Amino acid sequence: GAGVSQSPSNKVTEKGKDVELRCDPISGHTALYWYRQSLGQGLEFLIYFQGNSAPDKSGLPSDRFSAERTGGSVSTLTIQRTQQEDSAVYLCASSLMGRSSYNEQFFGPGTRLTVL
Amino acid sequence: RKEVEQDPGPFNVPEGATVAFNCTYSNSASQSFFWYRQDCRKEPKLLMSVYSSGNEDGRFTAQLNRASQYISLLIRDSKLSDSATYLCVVNMRNYGGATNKLIFGTGTLLAVQP
Repeated sequence: GAGVSQSPSNKVTEKGKDVELRCDPISGHTALYWYRQSLGQGLEFLIYFQGNSAPDKSGLPSDRFSAERTGGSVSTLTIQRTQQEDSAVYLCASSLMGRSSYNEQFFGPGTRLTVL
Repeated sequence: RKEVEQDPGPFNVPEGATVAFNCTYSNSASQSFFWYRQDCRKEPKLLMSVYSSGNEDGRFTAQLNRASQYISLLIRDSKLSDSATYLCVVNMRNYGGATNKLIFGTGTLLAVQP
């Protein structure tokens, strides 16, 4: 079946520009997550959606970062006024959401963002 | 201090060797524990969950010690195809649904040599 898809796969932008990254979760997965992976930092949690609401935004590094999810499906991560330190691979994951047990998070292939 | 710490390696081992990875975590509220595998320039994929009773999946054995906040992974009879980065991961889950995030270690690079 179809896995998590992300677009674009690569994005090169100039410092100061805004970018939008898109994630299509696995059909039927109510939970969606954004992470980023940068050199020397490993994978960091950014934000978690349950349906269209985001109960945990604690990983967003600054107010330049925002995310939304509509229709309980597609999510968009927006970075405003990009900085060079925003360069990273942005990974989206989705899962079923059981309140009493862990459900595996399946990751998409990521968007590699380069800010010049 | 990082929430999840692991030796970055690299571990260079010959085919057929047994290799062990260790990991410690700092937050005693961590709920679930995993090893993920990440191939170069690919997304991470779940290798196995880790339980206090220990669990085995073929050549892979994982162990959790909650008292010591320590997680291990043992790979027996290493194959060339085992070459990858192994990520130690803890799940912070709130039963009220307030979070379900994964906290990743920086990964241990394994290179299995012919």
